Amino acid sequence: DAKTTQPPSMDCAEGRAANLPCNHSTISGNEYVYWYRQIHSQGPQYIIHGLKNNETNEMASLIITEDRKSSTLILPHATLRDTAVYYCIALPPNTGNQFYFGTGTSLTVIP
Amino acid sequence: EPEVTQTPSHQVTQMGQEVILRCVPISNHLYFYWYRQILGQKVEFLVSFYNNEISEKSEIFDDQFSVERPDGSNFTLKIRSTKLEDSAMYFCASSANRNRQSSPLHFGNGTRLTVT
Repeated sequence: DAKTTQPPSMDCAEGRAANLPCNHSTISGNEYVYWYRQIHSQGPQYIIHGLKNNETNEMASLIITEDRKSSTLILPHATLRDTAVYYCIALPPNTGNQFYFGTGTSLTVIP
Repeated sequence: EPEVTQTPSHQVTQMGQEVILRCVPISNHLYFYWYRQILGQKVEFLVSFYNNEISEKSEIFDDQFSVERPDGSNFTLKIRSTKLEDSAMYFCASSANRNRQSSPLHFGNGTRLTVT
């Protein structure tokens, strides 16, 4: 699996967009980028994933650079409930490899 | 939206005792997983399970651990003789299939195991 690098912590003002970066410079052609988050004391929650095209769902948008070496998760209007640890994981699809969680980015949304 | 449910939410046990952690995966899912998270540390993979057998396991999943799907709905993790270092949050997860493009893992909210 490609190694991912994320800043350890970020702050964001409530109502503003939260942009969480992830570097995955060793990603291979078939590795998807997945984002999960973990709100305190809860299980990891799936947010979004993508291969090379930008993706959007009801929770967030995922922007992947053209060279696929980095990506950004965007929460368009952050709320206090978005305060959590956000994990970026690169993983080939349809394999036996399991999700390995790193230390992620601790996002704090400030009122 | 369907959820993975885990019981109990908190389990306290004495060192050396056996514990069984229970999970009800999402009903049409076929792959099942256990992860754990020691307080303040990363979420760690323990084991995956498909078609009534273990697909993969980590080095953490030693002979003290076992998993079972005793019926059509439950998925259990047993720790035969608990140690202090087994104290952690244990998360169950499930996915519809192994192709994560269409089926990411969905996690329960965990069982907090405290070994005294």
